[in-house]
Amino acid sequence: AQSVAQPEDQVNVAEGNPLTVKCTYSVSGNPYLFWYVQYPNRGLQFLLKYITGDNLVKGSYGFEAEFNKSQTSFHLKKPSALVSDSALYFCAVRDIVSYKLIFGSGTRLLVRP
Amino acid sequence: DGGITQSPKYLFRKEGQNVTLSCEQNLNHDAMYWYRQDPGQGLRLIYYSQIVNDFQKGDIAEGYSVSREKKESFPLTVTSAQKNPTAFYLCASSPHPLAGGKSSYNEQFFGPGTRLTVL
Repeated sequence: AQSVAQPEDQVNVAEGNPLTVKCTYSVSGNPYLFWYVQYPNRGLQFLLKYITGDNLVKGSYGFEAEFNKSQTSFHLKKPSALVSDSALYFCAVRDIVSYKLIFGSGTRLLVRP
Repeated sequence: DGGITQSPKYLFRKEGQNVTLSCEQNLNHDAMYWYRQDPGQGLRLIYYSQIVNDFQKGDIAEGYSVSREKKESFPLTVTSAQKNPTAFYLCASSPHPLAGGKSSYNEQFFGPGTRLTVL
């Protein structure tokens, strides 16, 4: 069965410092991976996706993610964090049989001024 | 503006009452989805529909029902059989996963959510 894991419930970082939000996956076959962000009491907003090609994927709001097949990881990164980046981040993988998205449990990012 | 709308934003339900959550999209997407979000548990799929007049159960369908009579609408009914319905409900849509080409890998677009509370 396809699955994703987000090992950190919360990540704390100072404004201006680089940030990383971790995600690992388990799939059979090629993974289709996504990152979403959720602000309080709002829906999810798409950040970026990996389908195939370059291992470094660039997305919205200056975020990027690095796909690592050997480590089965798809970590979300940003070179310089902003206080406004504080939100809940979800990693997801697309199930290759049903085409559903399977979400991780989410990681809360807190960027302090 | 193209997008997904959900109504109401907040909904209160009494014990034993059925309530219906609305989801409408004008993105011309074939597929629509309903998720439930609880604190610390991420999103769990309730029902999904890949085409009009057809839908499938997700991982937690018990106590819920849906219909898909129109392409743009996918209402969710929370029945009295759902014992713990208090949660944040999110609707999403995407092109049909078998549409071919790049649209096969398109992300899902989410509505703003409905927060349901049982009184």
